[in-house]
Amino acid sequence: QQPVQSPQAVILREGEDAVINCSSSKALYSVHWYRQKHGEAPIFLMILLKGGEQKGHDKISASFNEKKQQSSLYLTASQLSYSGTYFCGTIYGGSQGNLIFGKGTKLSVKP
Amino acid sequence: EAGVAQSPRYKIIEKRQSVAFWCNPISGHATLYWYQQILGQGPKLLIQFQNNGVVDDSQLPKDRFSAERLKGVDSTLKIQPAKLEDSAVYLCASSRSETQYFGPGTRLLVL
Repeated sequence: QQPVQSPQAVILREGEDAVINCSSSKALYSVHWYRQKHGEAPIFLMILLKGGEQKGHDKISASFNEKKQQSSLYLTASQLSYSGTYFCGTIYGGSQGNLIFGKGTKLSVKP
Repeated sequence: EAGVAQSPRYKIIEKRQSVAFWCNPISGHATLYWYQQILGQGPKLLIQFQNNGVVDDSQLPKDRFSAERLKGVDSTLKIQPAKLEDSAVYLCASSRSETQYFGPGTRLLVL
């Protein structure tokens, strides 16, 4: 069951903030966030396992709601290097489940 | 620590030809995955190995796709015969725990 990501695309100026959402119709075991630049490998950003969890590093953080059906990725004071496509990957059922990716959110940061 | 290595990076073939991709995971990672990523979509799991055994190949089109990981390290993915709709990026990933690390992928174009 593929998670739904929104928005599909967003354009920012340097220094602006963005939020990317990832939703599921049923409770998740975990959410994984990746960033992929054109022609490159997806790069792991973070994983959330617990309902109500929030974590982050530098100016990129994420939350996982209490019901474990929605996660949001927060990018603050965006930099040009943040440009790329952001994917959430979700696992249902338990740690042995497969990672199912959303369709991605394309983020473009302009000078 | 070296990342996931894949070769070739690019491949162009005609339909009905065969093609093989190679993946060398991060040292010590027992789990290896092959994903197919069609343009504009998130990666979709084809097959998962744990050491040299198949954990999940439910989404692998077995009439034309095959994969092996004979010694529990390197892996090859083969398509025979290729169809136009197989044009995609084939990503290999490996993991030791919850987090999957991706290689740069092989971009396949079937003409």
